[in-house]
Amino acid sequence: GAGVSQTPSNKVTEKGKYVELRCDPISGHTALYWYRQSLGQGPEFLIYFQGTGAADDSGLPNDRFFAVRPEGSVSTLKIQRTERGDSAVYLCASSLTEVLNTEAFFGQGTRLTVV
Amino acid sequence: TQLLEQSPQFLSIQEGENLTVYCNSSSVFSSLQWYRQEPGEGPVLLVTVVTGGEVKKLKRLTFQFGDARKDSSLHITAAQPGDTGLYLCAGGTWGKLQFGAGTQVVVTP
Repeated sequence: GAGVSQTPSNKVTEKGKYVELRCDPISGHTALYWYRQSLGQGPEFLIYFQGTGAADDSGLPNDRFFAVRPEGSVSTLKIQRTERGDSAVYLCASSLTEVLNTEAFFGQGTRLTVV
Repeated sequence: TQLLEQSPQFLSIQEGENLTVYCNSSSVFSSLQWYRQEPGEGPVLLVTVVTGGEVKKLKRLTFQFGDARKDSSLHITAAQPGDTGLYLCAGGTWGKLQFGAGTQVVVTP
């Protein structure tokens, strides 16, 4: 499809396990963003990439969270030693550039449940 | 940290009624965006307001940016069931949008 694609759509994992969440942005979009949305809250910024580099990772909650975008397209968000508090919907978005007010298109999200 | 507070948290109205939701901050934003999010979907951009005092209309939706660029409102005229969703405001800097908690709007036939 032409939109942002996130896989898997749902992920249930046991506490302490490692998970990877994948984001396929819209073709040609150089900026890619990860957000986390907890129940009843708005999305919370985690990290954004301009090309292959992480331009701002100040939203990553701790060193268990890491994200990569090795070829400037697909991105993977990696969470080590998952905790129940990591349960949330992880949203990915992409835009043509990172310039403010450039429209960002969101994927449907990956619902992560840590049991 | 710039905080965006949205009110009310929840709004339930009948089809045909009007509604207004608010987005307030103690900080000045260079621009604010409004999104609508439906269950199981990501947010979808409705509008971006940039100039203090600006009013933008999108069919039955009217968006206003406060003169001081610290607040914004969204007014829906003659709401329809299709307007049901979570309305989010967001502002920030390059690549790093900060969202409010949203207003859940339910329009019943």
